[in-house]
Formats: sequence, C-alpha cells, structure tokens
Amino acid sequence: AQTVTQSQPEMSVQEAETVTLSCTYDTSENNYYLFWYKQPPSRQMILVIRQEAYKQQNATENRFSVNFQKAAKSFSLKISDSQLGDTAMYFCAFRPTGGGSNYKLTFGKGTLLTVNP
Amino acid sequence: DTGVSQDPRHKITKRGQNVTFRCDPISEHNRLYWYRQTLGQGPEFLTYFQNEAQLEKSRLLSDRFSAERPKGSFSTLEIQRTEQGDSAMYLCASSAWDRDYGYTFGSGTRLTVV
Repeated sequence: AQTVTQSQPEMSVQEAETVTLSCTYDTSENNYYLFWYKQPPSRQMILVIRQEAYKQQNATENRFSVNFQKAAKSFSLKISDSQLGDTAMYFCAFRPTGGGSNYKLTFGKGTLLTVNP
Repeated sequence: DTGVSQDPRHKITKRGQNVTFRCDPISEHNRLYWYRQTLGQGPEFLTYFQNEAQLEKSRLLSDRFSAERPKGSFSTLEIQRTEQGDSAMYLCASSAWDRDYGYTFGSGTRLTVV
C-alpha cells in the first residue's frame, strides 16, 4: 500500500514571494505518477502539475515547479511569484502506472497555503 | 462539455434517510471515480468504474453505499440509512483511457447528516 505524507498543515507567504510545499511518499512500486492538486475554498480540485517517476527532469508549469527526488521519495512543490489566487489547499497525490487498481489516487492530508497581500 | 458536473452541491438530511448523488463525467471519459473527503483530510478512494463496470470498491464503501453507472455515462452514489459519520464532501472524477494519468474532478456534493 502507498502512503503520502504532507508534513505542513498550513503555510503562508507574502505576495510575489516564493514558497515550497513538502511531500514524501512511501511505495514499493518503481513506476508511478506524482501529482499536485489545488483546491481553492469551495471550488473544485484542479491539477497543478504532474511528474512521471521515470523522468529525471523536474516538471515545470509556469510559476509552479517540482523537486522530485526518487531515491528519497520526496516530491516538493515550489510556487514562484505567489499570487493571491494561489490561496488554496494543496494536495500531493500518488498513482502507480499500469492497470487494475492502479488507477486510484492516494492523497496526502493537504497543506493550506495562504498568500498575504 | 465543460467538465465534471455533480448534483446537488449541498445536501442536508436527517439521520436514517437515504440520499442519492449524481455525477456527469466528461463525455469522452470512460473512467469514473468516487472519492470521499472529510474535514482536514485528503480525498479517500471509494469506487471506480470503467464504462459501466464497477471494477473496484474500497472497504470504506459499506453495505449502505451503492454506486451505479448505467450505460457507462452518468453515475449515481446512494447512501442508505445515513449516519452522522457519513457527513463529508463526495467528489466525482473522470479520466480518459488514453490520458489516464490525470483526473478531472467535479465540484463535489457536500453532505451534512443531522
């Protein structure tokens, strides 16, 4: 079974600053996907960024980038130039590749990020 | 088709009543998932459909819970004899077989059992 741990229940950052959210996971799988999802207050969860475990290059999406350390089973999210609209709950999630029950996502408990003006 | 739709957005029910939620996935997505999210927790997997076939159910899905996806289109999640512990956000998500690494989530149905 997989587990995902987000050790920071809450974080805050000043607008325009950079913040890093931490995530660690435990798995015996060798091939998998990792995701960061954003859930704004009372709004739907949206995918921020994803990383395939077989890729050594860290994924980037505009102001969002990850630091993927496979050996350490670490997957942190860096948000640059933070904006007020980045205020949300952020969830780290894991999914093995392949079929069968590997389609389900395992989520961490989330980190509530507040961007202050 | 603008995304995954869930209905209702909010539901308040008395303990012991039955409730049913509906999810309309993105039309070309053949996979549909139900998750439950309680306060302060991440979403937890409940069940998964590929087309009309329910391929997996979590042990969280007690006998009071049932889900269907007739004709592989929309899905319903029914909770019978609701209990206060059923109060949660119920999330639906869908994905396409050829791009199944990411889900599209709906806005969820928030259930409050009083």
